[in-house]
Amino acid sequence: SAVISQKPSRDICQRGTSLTIQCQVDSQVTMMFWYRQQPGQSLTLIATANQGSEATYESGFVIDKFPISRPNLTFSTLTVSNMSPEDSSIYLCSVEFGESYEQYFGPGTRLTVT
Amino acid sequence: GNSVTQMEGPVTLSEEAFLTINCTYTATGYPSLFWYVQYPGEGLQLLLKATKADDKGSNKGFEATYRKETTSFHLEKGSVQVSDSAVYFCALATSNNNDMRFGAGTRLTVKP
Repeated sequence: SAVISQKPSRDICQRGTSLTIQCQVDSQVTMMFWYRQQPGQSLTLIATANQGSEATYESGFVIDKFPISRPNLTFSTLTVSNMSPEDSSIYLCSVEFGESYEQYFGPGTRLTVT
Repeated sequence: GNSVTQMEGPVTLSEEAFLTINCTYTATGYPSLFWYVQYPGEGLQLLLKATKADDKGSNKGFEATYRKETTSFHLEKGSVQVSDSAVYFCALATSNNNDMRFGAGTRLTVKP
């Protein structure tokens, strides 16, 4: 498995501002992902963070709103831009590890937009 | 496309009761199946997995068997504890896509 940390663990932000979330892994991994978990709901994949190239976004998510960086094999950032109260969620990064496509998750960033 | 249907709950049980949380899936190819647990205020933890038909995953007293004939991966535990109170997610992944598909989650509350 892998040890995954996220910063910040939580934040309260004002409408119209942006927040950058960091995800750090203790070993090199090929696949990194960003998910959103809205209150009381399941996880929705935002994008796959690709090292050295642009992230691959899922339907309903766009780069202008959720820009992602992946400068190396152990680190990624997700920015939530021009925030609105609807962006209040838990944001989770994950890594794929092993041969059976299992993913390991960071502790999450709890974002509240007022 | 790939999807997971999970008993939504919430489920409330007394300590030492038997637990079953149903999960069925639809997938192309040969999926790997997973159960994740999310304790209050925390991220997701991998609870158990199974990678091929008839495999049984087990961990911390929880078990689930990969049933290809019924496309199911039901989670069971013989005697739940208060500390098992959490949200449980069934999930699948295949080699055909990079992402993992999650069920809706089932909130379990165990009362002493």
